[in-house]
Amino acid sequence: EAGVAQSPRYKIIEKRQSVAFWCNPISGHATLYWYQQILGQGPKLLIQFQNNGVVDDSQLPKDRFSAERLKGVDSTLKIQPAKLEDSAVYLCASSLGTGEYGYTFGSGTRLTVV
Amino acid sequence: AQKVTQAQTEISVVEKEDVTLDCVYETRDTTYYLFWYKQPPSGELVFLIRRNSFDEQNEISGRYSWNFQKSTSSFNFTITASQVVDSAVYFCALRGYNFNKFYFGSGTKLNVKP
Repeated sequence: EAGVAQSPRYKIIEKRQSVAFWCNPISGHATLYWYQQILGQGPKLLIQFQNNGVVDDSQLPKDRFSAERLKGVDSTLKIQPAKLEDSAVYLCASSLGTGEYGYTFGSGTRLTVV
Repeated sequence: AQKVTQAQTEISVVEKEDVTLDCVYETRDTTYYLFWYKQPPSGELVFLIRRNSFDEQNEISGRYSWNFQKSTSSFNFTITASQVVDSAVYFCALRGYNFNKFYFGSGTKLNVKP
């Protein structure tokens, strides 16, 4: 079974620029999550999709972050414009149900904003 | 409120020593799920174990063992005869029954020296 795919692996941008991350979950996994992990901290949920609908985006900074999951498969997370404090690893995860058996995580995208 | 506390920020041991990683959680849910994940330097979060709140049996898997105690709201993780490959950041996480997002602790970095 292929894992959760994410790209790019690394990204360096200047503040105020835009950036987008892509995630392809495990085939058949209805639930997809984007997490932000700042260095030295645990991951924090940004947004959760069930198929192509948003279940929870309460911690997504909507003035600059947006995410979509077209057709209930791949997902894109965008930051526009980026701030220095957005420097973090962005992890995508997917689960068959709603996560009661755990998630499968991708390797993440490490974003550095300079 | 849902909260996970991992008080140990970093632990260093010498190979073959036993080491215990502590996890204390808070939840109002009577049904909940606890997890441990390993994050090696590559960045991917690797699932180790899941426990539901009705199952207080301790579990052993090879050199790994977990001690779940509802009375103290703890879910500690012990590695017996540690190896250099165990070096990673370990996260404890809580998923409530009514809230299907994970709450991660801040992680414990384990350094196993040869």
